[in-house]
Amino acid sequence: AQSVTQLDSQVPVFEEAPVELRCNYSSSVSVYLFWYVQYPNQGLQLLLKYLSGSTLVKSINGFEAEFNKSQTSFHLRKPSVHISDTAEYFCAVSDLTSYNTDKLIFGTGTRLQVFP
Amino acid sequence: GAVVSQHPSRVICKSGTSVKIECRSLDFQATTMFWYRQFPKQSLMLMATSNEGSKATYEQGVEKDKFLINHASLTLSTLTVTSAHPEDSSFYICSVSLAGSEETQYFGPGTRLLVL
Repeated sequence: AQSVTQLDSQVPVFEEAPVELRCNYSSSVSVYLFWYVQYPNQGLQLLLKYLSGSTLVKSINGFEAEFNKSQTSFHLRKPSVHISDTAEYFCAVSDLTSYNTDKLIFGTGTRLQVFP
Repeated sequence: GAVVSQHPSRVICKSGTSVKIECRSLDFQATTMFWYRQFPKQSLMLMATSNEGSKATYEQGVEKDKFLINHASLTLSTLTVTSAHPEDSSFYICSVSLAGSEETQYFGPGTRLLVL
C-alpha cells in the first residue's frame, strides 16, 4: 500500500531564510503528488500539485516542489520564508494504480514555524 | 477552487448520542465528497468516499453502521456519528472533487468533535 513520509514534524526557521520540507512516498508507480497547507484554525488549502509534465511545480506564493521519481521524493522549498508562512504543511499522494485513484494518502505533516 | 463549508465547527456531546456533521460545496457541484478523520499529531485518514445518489464506499476498518454518510445532493453530504463514544473524539474533515479535475480535492475547515 502507498504511504507518505514526512520525516520532519517541526521545522523552525528565521524569516528570510530558505527552507525545505521533505516528503517521500513509498512507491514509484504512477502517482499524483500534492502539497497542502493548513493555517491556524483553517482548513487545508492546495499549495501545489504535480500531475504530469515538468517535474518542477510552483505556487503563487513562492513555494516550489520537484518530483524526483528515482528518489520517490517531492520536497517542498522556498528560498526566503515570511512570518505568514507559519503553518502545517501536508504532503499527499494519489496512487493511479489503485481501485480508487482519487484517494489521497497523507503524510503526518510538518509544522513550519517562522521566527522574526 | 471550490469553497467548502462544514457545520458545526465544533460540537461537544454526551456518550451515546448521535452527532450530524454537514459538508457543503458552496460554489460548485461536487462530483465526489470525501470524509477524513484526523487525530492529534497524526495525518488525515480517509474514512469514506461519497458519490451523490449512491452508497458511500468505506475504507477498511471504518464501521459503516457507526458512521452514516448521506450524499443527498451535489452540494451536500452529511456524516452522522451514531452512538458516539469518547474514542470517536476527533477532527472530522470533508473534501470535494469537481468534475473535470477529480484528482484535486478542496477541503472544508473541519469539525472538532468531543464526546464526553
